[in-house]
Amino acid sequence: EVQLVESGGDLVQPGGSLRLSCAASGFTFKNYEMNWVRQAPGKGLEWVSYISGGGKITYYAESVKGRFTISRDTANNSLYLQMNSLRAEDTAVYYCVRDVDCSGGSCYPTGWFDPWGQGTLVTVSS
Amino acid sequence: SSELTQDPAVSVALGQTVRITCQGDSLRTYYANWYQQKPGQAPKVVIFAKNNRPTGIPDRFSGSSTGNTASLTITGAQAEDEADYYCNSRDSSGNHRVFGGGTKLTVL
Repeated sequence: EVQLVESGGDLVQPGGSLRLSCAASGFTFKNYEMNWVRQAPGKGLEWVSYISGGGKITYYAESVKGRFTISRDTANNSLYLQMNSLRAEDTAVYYCVRDVDCSGGSCYPTGWFDPWGQGTLVTVSS
Repeated sequence: SSELTQDPAVSVALGQTVRITCQGDSLRTYYANWYQQKPGQAPKVVIFAKNNRPTGIPDRFSGSSTGNTASLTITGAQAEDEADYYCNSRDSSGNHRVFGGGTKLTVL
């Protein structure tokens, strides 16, 4: 079974740092691009960051660029999100998601997110 | 702000058909995906790459696209379809992923 399990969410003060982790299992981790997506309380989904299968290419939403760093450890099948200079508006459930672009023998130029982990809650407050 | 625009809320009578739309210039180039999220749960994909259903998703869910607008249609909506629905695709650069603001579907 393909599974993603996030951890590391916590209550942190504004300006503080936090590192989220995502343990992947049930698939060949190095073959898949990965992302972080977040959801503030009562709000919609917001894409945060992307990393290529080899880890060399990364992208960030403008709202977190320069403060967050995505990385991966293929040996340990793990995805990470280092969050620095945290702000109240970073308060959200953070989801680890796999980027998929092939299904049933067909591949498509635009990928989709599947599966989703259960999420980990980050609260930024004094 | 999102580069993909959705109506905040839509309602449908039980057993009737409802269409949820998503607009954005990038949809002229990239496929849209659709996710369903029920309260307290993580989202799950119901339509990927414009009009494909994952295994286990009922065939009352379908997707389509014309120009800059993608649509999710539920034919014969059921009570269990009441949820938030989000579209997702790429931005104009093709590098960043984007979500629509979400549509809350109420089944009456």
